[in-house]
Amino acid sequence: DAGITQSPRYKITETGRQVTLMCHQTWSHSYMFWYRQDLGHGLRLIYYSAAADITDKGEVPDGYVVSRSKTENFPLTLESATRSQTSVYFCASSDPFENQDTFGSGTRLTVV
Amino acid sequence: AQSVTQLGSHVSVSEGALVLLRCNYSSSVPPYLFWYVQYPNQGLQLLLKYTSAATLVKGINGFEAEFKKSETSFHLTKPSAHMSDAAEYFCAVSHSGGYQKVTFGIGTKLQVIP
Repeated sequence: DAGITQSPRYKITETGRQVTLMCHQTWSHSYMFWYRQDLGHGLRLIYYSAAADITDKGEVPDGYVVSRSKTENFPLTLESATRSQTSVYFCASSDPFENQDTFGSGTRLTVV
Repeated sequence: AQSVTQLGSHVSVSEGALVLLRCNYSSSVPPYLFWYVQYPNQGLQLLLKYTSAATLVKGINGFEAEFKKSETSFHLTKPSAHMSDAAEYFCAVSHSGGYQKVTFGIGTKLQVIP
């Protein structure tokens, strides 16, 4: 199916563990993004990518790592998970000429 | 710098009543403005967007928004609320020129009372 697929939908991990959230899009959009959604903060941009092998920091990048070896995939890695990283994570992609983001269904991450 | 302020984190309306969700923006250049809706356990879905064409923008599900430069506002309205409109709504701002970062408001949760 066309669209953005995030996996897993739900994840519980322990403090200090590394965890990777996956994002796959089928539109060949050049831009991809990772946001986190927290109560009272709306959506905050973690990292974004303008194309394969081009990534840049967003508003809240600390503690996260991204890579983009292929246009369609944009994984987000928490190198050493902390409780403050408990959140709902959304991946999005965008055609820059449309100037709008299309979102995945989210990954709810709990760090215990 | 750009930002949006959504007035009211929670709004309650009766079924059939007018829906009005407020958004004010701040932008140093002409903005692009968006409204997104988020249903429980889902991602955000674009309702409508303003990109400097018509100031009154019609979106999906009967929603519309009017860009008012003098008031720096982009309020979302729907004449008659339906139970299925209960969701969280996000206003967002960006601007033209290829990709530009989108800044989201904190959201307004709409409750529809039968």
